[in-house]
Amino acid sequence: NAGVTQTPKFQVLKTGQSMTLQCAQDMNHNSMYWYRQDPGMGLRLIYYSASEGTTDKGEVPNGYNVSRLNKREFSLRLESAAPSQTSVYFCASTIQGAYAYEQYFGPGTRLTVT
Amino acid sequence: AQTVTQSQPEMSVQEAETVTLSCTYDTSESDYYLFWYKQPPSRQMILVIRQEAYKQQNATENRFSVNFQKAAKSFSLKISDSQLGDAAMYFCAYRDPYNNNDMRFGAGTRLTVKP
Repeated sequence: NAGVTQTPKFQVLKTGQSMTLQCAQDMNHNSMYWYRQDPGMGLRLIYYSASEGTTDKGEVPNGYNVSRLNKREFSLRLESAAPSQTSVYFCASTIQGAYAYEQYFGPGTRLTVT
Repeated sequence: AQTVTQSQPEMSVQEAETVTLSCTYDTSESDYYLFWYKQPPSRQMILVIRQEAYKQQNATENRFSVNFQKAAKSFSLKISDSQLGDAAMYFCAYRDPYNNNDMRFGAGTRLTVKP
């Protein structure tokens, strides 16, 4: 099993450009998440999808959109990138309702917006 | 909203020694789950240990153990016989069982292991 995969691993954008971060999991998990990691702030939830066809905002959703394409895939889109969106982005998945179980994380995408 | 606090931005330990990383959290719930994740330089988040709040017994996983003090809302991680491979960022996390999507992370503690 590949677990949770993310593409790309690194990306540099200019202010105003758009891009989509891709995430896929092969563990048959229902729930998927997008986080951003900034120094001194831990991980903060951007958006999540409890199940296929549903998405909801997390703690820091402004400037982002998401699509739950199917059970396996959950993408994060930046429509007009800003320097404040420079961060490391993590996708994660878990079994819905299995609260005792951890979230499984992808390897992250380091995004720099200049 | 629940908050998770890790008061030690950096810690260091001598190889083979023991180190304890601190974590406190704020919640009004009585039932919840706590986790410690390790993030090595590769950036991959790896689960180290988990604790269910309804269990009084502290969780252990080989050289890793926790000191869970529910009344004090404290969840510290003890690493025994520290190894060079333990060097990483460690994140404490709280999960709300009534909200599948509410998992809060602390700011992290960077652990250095000295040979």
